[in-house]
Amino acid sequence: IVLTQSPATLSLSPGETATLSCRASQSVSSYLGWYQQRPGQTPRLLIYDTSNRATGTPARFSGSGSGTDFTLTISSLEPEDSAVYYCQQRVNWLLTFGPGTKVEIK
Amino acid sequence: EVQLLESGGGLVQPGGSLRLSCAASGFNFGEHAMNWVRQAPGKGLEWVSALNSAGDSTFYADSVKGRFTISRDNSKNTLYLQMNDLSAEDTAVYYCANTMETYYFDYWGQGTLVTVSS
Repeated sequence: IVLTQSPATLSLSPGETATLSCRASQSVSSYLGWYQQRPGQTPRLLIYDTSNRATGTPARFSGSGSGTDFTLTISSLEPEDSAVYYCQQRVNWLLTFGPGTKVEIK
Repeated sequence: EVQLLESGGGLVQPGGSLRLSCAASGFNFGEHAMNWVRQAPGKGLEWVSALNSAGDSTFYADSVKGRFTISRDNSKNTLYLQMNDLSAEDTAVYYCANTMETYYFDYWGQGTLVTVSS
């Protein structure tokens, strides 16, 4: 299953809302997660199974979607949200990640 | 506290072999599936391989199938990745990660860098 993410880069100001898209080449049901990777850090799970926030994920991160189209929304952007965001599917054991969306905070 | 500590990375020539280890602590290692994920320099994340808790079911990305072997020693709380016939495309930071809480990669090690170059 191939995951496509858009846009490749998003440049926004603090306080704005970021909308990140992840599209799957075939249905992954609700088995889609999102990770944040800040520069020089290991990835961190933000959202699992489309819309469930992982432990420690702030409420301004939310996920939605089903089947092949998914969205990660980051409300009220903060400077610390500057990172690359990856989606990942787990519909079967052949796990795949999307190529990532880089979020830049102006 | 869950801790995953990778080791074994380094510089290897094309066609060579390397074995990575991941020492786990802070959880019941033998009860959970484990994975390897890699990230080439400046690139995205790529899942490499998974192994179930008993160690008798393995899964591999097409890019490494037939060359890499994942294994574990539950008595030593350690995960391994034997990598053979390495090429420049295998150059990456290799992370071990588990899916113990959500079936996604909940915990990650700090990674070990593998560089394949002559």
